[in-house]
Amino acid sequence: EAGVTQFPSHSVIEKGQTVTLRCDPISGHDNLYWYRRVMGKEIKFLLHFVKESKQDESGMPNNRFLAERTGGTYSTLKVQPAELEDSGVYFCASSRSWDRGLDYGYTFGSGTRLTVV
Amino acid sequence: DAKTTQPTSMDCAEGRAANLPCNHSTISGNEYVYWYRQIHSQGPQYIIHGLKNNETNEMASLIITEDRKSSTLILPHATLRDTAVYYCIVAGRRALTFGSGTRLQVQP
Repeated sequence: EAGVTQFPSHSVIEKGQTVTLRCDPISGHDNLYWYRRVMGKEIKFLLHFVKESKQDESGMPNNRFLAERTGGTYSTLKVQPAELEDSGVYFCASSRSWDRGLDYGYTFGSGTRLTVV
Repeated sequence: DAKTTQPTSMDCAEGRAANLPCNHSTISGNEYVYWYRQIHSQGPQYIIHGLKNNETNEMASLIITEDRKSSTLILPHATLRDTAVYYCIVAGRRALTFGSGTRLQVQP
């Protein structure tokens, strides 16, 4: 099966601009997660979708971040307006429905490296 | 989610088994033990996970103590490409919480 796909792989934007990151989960995976790693820090959870619904968005840093998952397929994470501290690597992960078990764990994408200058 | 404790770093000789310990004394009954690794800045890579029984796959073995308060990830024949940060994560039906992990350095 195809893995979790994220694009762009890299993005360099100026402070104040808007950036949209996209994540395509593995087909059939109901659960989709966004994480972020800021340089020198641990990987931090941002939010979790179950299909198109936000299950947990406790990790979203502020209202400049907006995540959507229309139709329960791919997801986008928009940062508007971007600030310098938003720089980091944004990872997306997906997993099967828990009702069908966690046979394969969570699969992560390769990440989007965002640099705000 | 239960908190995990891992050594900050470990060294292992190439070709030897790497045994990475993890303590999770507050684990609850419905929480799994997951192991992931991150090589450089790549996305975290799934290694293995288990609930209470020992598990083995093509990458590694996971040994969970009977009381489930600790576990050990075993890479049977470590190679230089296994140099990475290894994360032990305990989680139930929710998102994973990453700690600082163990930085494993495989030495030639």
